Amino acid sequence: NAGVTQTPKFQVLKTGQSMTLQCAQDMNHEYMSWYRQDPGMGLRLIHYSVGAGITDQGEVPNGYNVSRSTTEDFPLRLLSAAPSQTSVYFCASSYSSGLSGGGQYEQFFGPGTRLTVL
Amino acid sequence: GESVGLHLPTLSVQEGDNSIINCAYSNSASDYFIWYKQESGKGPQFIIDIRSNMDKRQGQRVTVLLNKTVKHLSLQIAATQPGDSAVYFCAENMRTNAGKSTFGDGTTLTVKP
Repeated sequence: NAGVTQTPKFQVLKTGQSMTLQCAQDMNHEYMSWYRQDPGMGLRLIHYSVGAGITDQGEVPNGYNVSRSTTEDFPLRLLSAAPSQTSVYFCASSYSSGLSGGGQYEQFFGPGTRLTVL
Repeated sequence: GESVGLHLPTLSVQEGDNSIINCAYSNSASDYFIWYKQESGKGPQFIIDIRSNMDKRQGQRVTVLLNKTVKHLSLQIAATQPGDSAVYFCAENMRTNAGKSTFGDGTTLTVKP
C-alpha cells in the first residue's frame, strides 16, 4: 500500500491565484482530513470528511473548499490564495470509530505540501 | 475554544536517559488521546493512544499516562536514542469522529549523544 499520498510537494503561488492540493489514500479509510501547520505550531483542522459525499468544516475553513466524490480522494481547493495561507498542508485518513484493537483511532498522514503565497 | 496544550516547547536529554513529555488538555469530554511523532520534513506518525477510561498504556519503550483529575497527559520514552529526536504532539478526539483531532503545539525533543 502507498498509504496517503499528496501532490505537489512544493508550490509557490501569487496572491489571488487558485489551485488544488491533491490527496489520495489506498487503505479504504472512511475518514479523511486536511490540516495546516504553521511554523512552530501544531496542526489545525481545515475540513474533514466522514465518507464519500460528506464533508464538514474544521477550525480554520475560510478560503478553502473540499469535496469527496470517492473514498480514495479528498482534494483541497484554494479559491483565491492569500499570504496568510502560506503553510504546510497535511492530509490524513483514518478508520471509522468502533473498530476493536489497539491504535484504532490513529490518523495516517501524508508527507505534506509546502505552500508559499507571495 | 478548547484545545490541547503542552507544558514545554523544548526538551533536551542525554542519550540513554528517560524522557517525559507533558500535555495539558481542557476538554473533559474527549474520549481518547494520541501521541504523534513528527520528524523534520515529514507528516506526524502515530506512537501510542489511550482511551479516557484508562490511566496507563505501555508500548515498546513508550508509556502514556492519563490523569483525568488534573487533565494531564504524559509520554515517557525509555532509554532515549538519537532517532527519538523530533517534535511530539498530543491530540485529543471524540470516538464519534476519528477524523477530527485537536492538536497541541508540540514539544521539540533533542537527544544529545
